[in-house]
Amino acid sequence: RKEVEQDPGPFNVPEGATVAFNCTYSNSASQSFFWYRQDCRKEPKLLMSVYSSGNEDGRFTAQLNRASQYISLLIRDSKLSDSATYLCVVNLSYGGSQGNLIFGKGTKLSVKP
Amino acid sequence: GAVVSQHPSWVICKSGTSVKIECRSLDFQATTMFWYRQFPKQSLMLMATSNEGSKATYEQGVEKDKFLINHASLTLSTLTVTSAHPEDSSFYICSARELAGVLIQYFGAGTRLSVL
Repeated sequence: RKEVEQDPGPFNVPEGATVAFNCTYSNSASQSFFWYRQDCRKEPKLLMSVYSSGNEDGRFTAQLNRASQYISLLIRDSKLSDSATYLCVVNLSYGGSQGNLIFGKGTKLSVKP
Repeated sequence: GAVVSQHPSWVICKSGTSVKIECRSLDFQATTMFWYRQFPKQSLMLMATSNEGSKATYEQGVEKDKFLINHASLTLSTLTVTSAHPEDSSFYICSARELAGVLIQYFGAGTRLSVL
C-alpha cells in the first residue's frame, strides 16, 4: 500500500465550481499534514497546513480525520488560476529536525472558462 | 517568505558526463536540505537528506557513489550526478527546512536534467 494515496484526476471543472480532493495516508504515526500546489514543470509550493480542527484560508478549506487517516481539500469558487496539481503531503514527526515529507502523486485540477 | 535558489534550471548533457546542481537558502540558515527526484506523472521521491557538516543520508535504492551530495555550509548544498545516463533524466528539486513553529520546507525551482 502506498504511503500517501490520491485520486490522480484530472478533475475538469467550470469556473466558479466547488471541487474537493481526498487523500489517505497509511502511517498512523504521521504527525503533520500539508497541501502543496505544483504547476507544470515547476516546484511544489505550500498551499496550506492541515490541522486536526480543520482550517480555512480564503476559498480553500482543509480537513483532517486522524481516525480514518484521511485528508481533504475543498476549493470554492474555482478560478482559472487554480489549475494545477495538488499534492497531499504528510510528515512523520513534528518539530525538531527529524522526519521528511512524504508526497502523494497529486491530483490534477483543470478549471475551464 | 523564505527563498531557496536552485541552479541551473535546465541541463542537457551527453551520456557519461557529470552534472552539478546547487541549492542555496537565501535568507535563512538550513542545517538540513533535501534532494528529490520526480519522473513524469510521478510523485516527488526523496533521494537523500543533506546535513551541514556531515555525510548525507541516502534513501534505499539511491546510489551514493552516483549522486554525490555536499553540504559544506548552512546555506549551500550541491548534488553531483556522476557519469549521467539517459535513465537519470528527471526533474531534480532541492528543499530546505525552516523551523517556524511548524515544519515548513521551501523548494527550489528545480533542475530539469536531460541526458542524451
